Amino acid sequence: DAGVIQSPRHEVTEMGQEVTLRCKPISGHNSLFWYRQTMMRGLELLIYFNNNVPIDDSGMPEDRFSAKMPNASFSTLKIQPSEPRDSAVYFCASSLSGMVQGARETQYFGPGTRLLVL
Amino acid sequence: KNEVEQSPQNLTAQEGEFITINCSYSVGISALHWLQQHPGGGIVSLFMLSSGKKKHGRLIATINIQEKHSSLHITASHPRDSAVYICAVAETSGSRLTFGEGTQLTVNP
Repeated sequence: DAGVIQSPRHEVTEMGQEVTLRCKPISGHNSLFWYRQTMMRGLELLIYFNNNVPIDDSGMPEDRFSAKMPNASFSTLKIQPSEPRDSAVYFCASSLSGMVQGARETQYFGPGTRLLVL
Repeated sequence: KNEVEQSPQNLTAQEGEFITINCSYSVGISALHWLQQHPGGGIVSLFMLSSGKKKHGRLIATINIQEKHSSLHITASHPRDSAVYICAVAETSGSRLTFGEGTQLTVNP
């Protein structure tokens, strides 16, 4: 298996632009997580999907952030409009569970998308 | 006070030394994870445990639920072990992970 795939790996954009990050989880995995990592705040959960349904989106910072999972093999995280404080590494992870308890399982992380908003 | 605290924040060791990284947490948990983040940024799950001890190669992870404490041990450390080690706890509801700030480990040859 190719593991969790994220694209793009790097993104540089200007403030105010829309940014779309993409994730393909491991085939057969039913839970998907979006995380953000910054020097100041470390790793933070943004949103968690189980069977394509958002279960916990309390970490989504504000209305500028949105995430979708239209099917079991694809998810997007969108920032519109982007701001310099959104600069971070965004990780997608997946786990096997079909239950709503994905944090109790081993999670497999993608390589991350390094976002820089100028 | 952070819900998950790691110590030390930075650790430098000589090759071959025994290393211990500690993690304390203040919330009720259903599981605790140890992650390794390589210098290139990739994150790998090392252990997920809810009681007792787990061992994989030179790595050992222990947890004491009553004391709300976990340790990650590395025996016969090697320069390739140099990475950031992150402790994360799954809260009782099980739906999210809360992360520690990480421990930067450098093993010198």
